[in-house]
Amino acid sequence: DSGVTQTPKHLITATGQRVTLRCSPRSGDLSVYWYQQSLDQGLQFLIQYYNGEERAKGNILERFSAQQFPDLHSELNLSSLELGDSALYFCASSVQGANAGELFFGEGSRLTVL
Amino acid sequence: GDSVTQMEGPVTLSEEAFLTINCTYTATGYPSLFWYVQYPGEGLQLLLKATKADDKGSNKGFEATYRKETTSFHLEKGSVQVSDSAVYFCALTSNTGGFKTIFGAGTRLFVKA
Repeated sequence: DSGVTQTPKHLITATGQRVTLRCSPRSGDLSVYWYQQSLDQGLQFLIQYYNGEERAKGNILERFSAQQFPDLHSELNLSSLELGDSALYFCASSVQGANAGELFFGEGSRLTVL
Repeated sequence: GDSVTQMEGPVTLSEEAFLTINCTYTATGYPSLFWYVQYPGEGLQLLLKATKADDKGSNKGFEATYRKETTSFHLEKGSVQVSDSAVYFCALTSNTGGFKTIFGAGTRLFVKA
């Protein structure tokens, strides 16, 4: 158990819909990362937050947005969903400082868009 | 920008065979390097890491050495087991732009009994 909790584990929805994925980081971790894992594109970095502020941005579509709340949990919002958005979405957390870069992953949220 | 390239899989080995999974990287500055492992149905977990040139990371019989001159971080294990069957990801973290971690595409390993 990594200590990172993601909900829901599975989600099935239709094209054009909007969903929210939730992540609770490990206790004490200030950084949260979101990754998308699809069969043909490996693990793609979406976005990083540190203590409530956006810190780094990767290949995140404009239809997607995220935020980190004062209690440090994070949400990833996916809107106007397309078939190609079907993937496994991982959240990870980390500390800063000496162990920077060592990520702890949740079990993922599997999104299926029909 | 920063990138990680690792050998394509799947790699299929018999139990007790020697394993090498190649990984090379491109990065500005001095990144930290990692290997993560993903078992079926689970999230990624850290396998080993190295934070500076010539460092060797090791864990569970796996090893990798940070080679700056060849920009490589190849994963090796002397004798694989069926339980090592998983997907292995090479990754780097640089401190440019907020400790962003970049992953390779992953290499799936099958170990046959």
